[in-house]
Amino acid sequence: QVQLVQSGAEVKKPGASVKVSCKASGYTFTSYYMHWVRQAPGQGLEWMGIINPSGGSTSYAQKFQGRVTMTRDTSTSTVYMELSSLRSEDTAVYYCARDRTGTVTPEDWGQGTLVTVSS
Amino acid sequence: DIQMTQSPSSLSASVGDRVTITCRASQSISSYLNWYQQKPGKAPKLLIYAASSLQSGVPSRFSGSGSGTDFTLTISSLQPEDFATYYCQQSYSIPITFGQGTRLEIK
Repeated sequence: QVQLVQSGAEVKKPGASVKVSCKASGYTFTSYYMHWVRQAPGQGLEWMGIINPSGGSTSYAQKFQGRVTMTRDTSTSTVYMELSSLRSEDTAVYYCARDRTGTVTPEDWGQGTLVTVSS
Repeated sequence: DIQMTQSPSSLSASVGDRVTITCRASQSISSYLNWYQQKPGKAPKLLIYAASSLQSGVPSRFSGSGSGTDFTLTISSLQPEDFATYYCQQSYSIPITFGQGTRLEIK
């Protein structure tokens, strides 16, 4: 079965960077795009971007352009999301989610990674 | 970006009730509309894709309809496990966008 296992919670200071990992199993890693979506405490869902694990191409939401980098390691079936210049408003749970066969629909989700930005 | 607006923002209902949640897109998105359920502390779960297709394993009491700009999610007979927050999401264009959510509470 599809499994997406994310790295553990992080606490960062303002201005720092964070890198969250998402290890995939149970399917052919390079055949499905991967989304990153975040959710601030008590708030809704916010799409950050998408990566094609096959070639590594990415598309980012304009809000995060210049601050976010999504990468992948095909040898370990892992995707990464790095967010830089962190501020308190970046405190959120970050999810990776496998795309539903090229439909731009997040289908299978990781468990989420809480990133707390605090001085 | 395409804006997605859900109504109501919150809803109180009883077990056995029929419930409808609506979602409106700021422009036509054909049938590129998905619905998710999220329970506290958990990741969202895909319920409905392409406006009306039931995701595998999702109970048949959930149904979706609509096209263009107006969509609905209906739960035909509420069960205790259905009390959660529901989100719509458009997959017509990038950036994908979500509605603000509808919190379904027990009356």
